[in-house]
Amino acid sequence: GAGVSQSPSNKVTEKGKDVELRCDPISGHTALYWYRQSLGQGLEFLIYFQGNSAPDKSGLPSDRFSAERTGGSVSTLTIQRTQQEDSAVYLCASSLNRDQQYFGPGTRLTVT
Amino acid sequence: QKEVEQDPGPLSVPEGAIVSLNCTYSNSAFQYFMWYRQYSRKGPELLMYTYSSGNKEDGRFTAQVDKSSKYISLFIRDSQPSDSATYLCAMVYGGSQGNLIFGKGTKLSVKP
Repeated sequence: GAGVSQSPSNKVTEKGKDVELRCDPISGHTALYWYRQSLGQGLEFLIYFQGNSAPDKSGLPSDRFSAERTGGSVSTLTIQRTQQEDSAVYLCASSLNRDQQYFGPGTRLTVT
Repeated sequence: QKEVEQDPGPLSVPEGAIVSLNCTYSNSAFQYFMWYRQYSRKGPELLMYTYSSGNKEDGRFTAQVDKSSKYISLFIRDSQPSDSATYLCAMVYGGSQGNLIFGKGTKLSVKP
């Protein structure tokens, strides 16, 4: 498939555990974004990677959240010491042009 | 005041109706405007993208931007049950790194 893929599709974890979410962008797309979608908050920007530049981390809600992008392709979003308020759908998007972003199916995270 | 306001609905229309979905925004720095469609438990799908005031048409969909009024619309002609989804408006600041600012989404139901 040529679209953005994310894994896992669903993740249930206990409060306090660490989780890793993966995103495979569309081949050739230089920009990669992470967003979070939760009831009542809508879709919120988390972090942005563009080529080899330093990422824009301005949307990360706390220092428990981090992300990396290896080799300009695959990205991993890590949430340490998960809390119940972290429960949400985590969406990844990639783009060639900053304004035409294509989203993956998301990872639904539930913290119990 | 939120940067982007969108009536969450729900909006229910009969098949064949013309649907009008709207967003208002507060910051004139927004330069690029998009509409995404999101089916339940799926990622957002880019429907329309525009950057200038006026209308842009694609099949049954028309996107309208009025920068002087800070108002954007999406019109769906001859609506179909398959159009039932949540519609999200999104915007990008000119000169920004490109993270999208989303409305909360309007849930549309088209009844056969």
